[in-house]
Amino acid sequence: ETGVTQTPRHLVMGMTNKKSLKCEQHLGHNAMYWYKQSAKKPLELMFVYNFKEQTENNSVPSRFSPECPNSSHLFLHLHTLQPEDSALYLCASSQEDSYTQYFGPGTRLTVL
Amino acid sequence: SQKIEQNSEALNIQEGKTATLTCNYTNYSPAYLQWYRQDPGRGPVFLLLIRENEKEKRKERLKVTFDTTLKQSLFHITASQPADSATYLCALPRNTGGFKTIFGAGTRLFVKA
Repeated sequence: ETGVTQTPRHLVMGMTNKKSLKCEQHLGHNAMYWYKQSAKKPLELMFVYNFKEQTENNSVPSRFSPECPNSSHLFLHLHTLQPEDSALYLCASSQEDSYTQYFGPGTRLTVL
Repeated sequence: SQKIEQNSEALNIQEGKTATLTCNYTNYSPAYLQWYRQDPGRGPVFLLLIRENEKEKRKERLKVTFDTTLKQSLFHITASQPADSATYLCALPRNTGGFKTIFGAGTRLFVKA
């Protein structure tokens, strides 16, 4: 297993719920990422944080709200999601000057 | 815009044979290319990175080639085993700078015993 953990592993929520995904990395990296992976589609980069500062937001709807309190933790707050938001959400980390990313196991999200 | 193409058709091979997966890219001249493995419902795992000045790289039963003229990388698994069954993703650096990566959709490999 990698040094990146994600909780919960599975989440089912209604469109009016509010939930949060959590990611923690134990690798001493200073960059963290959120990706969305839908069936048979490439990974879609959502957000990037370097040294706790958000450096990228790829036109993600505001119903997804990231939070990075420190270099080891990353959250994705979810509210009023749509069924099409159902996907595997992956967290990754890397050294800020490295090309290689280390992924967590993902959270399988189902929006009813 | 950058585009990565991997065969969307699954590759089925017999145990012991060599599996060869293809990654083609357009509108870019990357300095390096990576391959990741992803098991169902799990995050991708880094396997190999090859730089533009390296024609070939090996790691145990894995071999990657990088042809910058053809804009293509080949990923080989020799003496394949059922445990090699997974989806293999090709990844390139994004051409907007920084250490950001774009991923192909992956090719599913099934190795039959």
